[in-house]
Amino acid sequence: LAKTTQPISMDSYEGQEVNITCSHNNIATNDYITWYQQFPSQGPRFIIQGYKTKVTNEVASLFIPADRKSSTLSLPRVSLSDTAVYYCLVGDEGSWGKFQFGAGTQVVVTP
Amino acid sequence: GAGVSQSPRYKVAKRGQDVALRCDPISGHVSLFWYQQALGQGPEFLTYFQNEAQLDKSGLPSDRFFAERPEGSVSTLKIQRTQQEDSAVYLCASSLGLAGYDEQFFGPGTRLTVL
Repeated sequence: LAKTTQPISMDSYEGQEVNITCSHNNIATNDYITWYQQFPSQGPRFIIQGYKTKVTNEVASLFIPADRKSSTLSLPRVSLSDTAVYYCLVGDEGSWGKFQFGAGTQVVVTP
Repeated sequence: GAGVSQSPRYKVAKRGQDVALRCDPISGHVSLFWYQQALGQGPEFLTYFQNEAQLDKSGLPSDRFFAERPEGSVSTLKIQRTQQEDSAVYLCASSLGLAGYDEQFFGPGTRLTVL
């Protein structure tokens, strides 16, 4: 399975855009890229998923360059409630639970 | 709507005791996963069920860990002769589909503390 690397932590102020880049140099042809968010004392929550180019939903955008060796989760105009740990996962149809969450990126939003 | 529920939410066990953790997935979800999350770390995969079939148990740390899903819905994770290193949050997740990358819906977890 492709190994992912993402920053340990990021700080931001309310109203700013937060971009978290995840590296996955050995991503395979059939792999999808998925991001989860986790608040303290809760289980992770699915945010967004993509295969290539750009995906946008009501919560975030996911940018994937042509070589797919990295991806960037973009959180527009963050608020205090966006303070959480964000995980980047890479896997294909048969990966099942073998997605490696890693330590994730702790995002702290301050007023 | 009803999400994934887990019970108990908190469990304190003395070293050597057996514990059983329950997961109620979302109704109709075929896939069910168990994860272990240590403090400050991301979830670590333990095992995967597709309906009642346990297709992958490669993440179970030792033979003291056992999971079942006999009727393809509720699942139980059992830990025998608990050790201090078993202290962690145990997360259950379910998904509607069969693909590994399908959205997983997580429960709140069970925090296990072994004294």
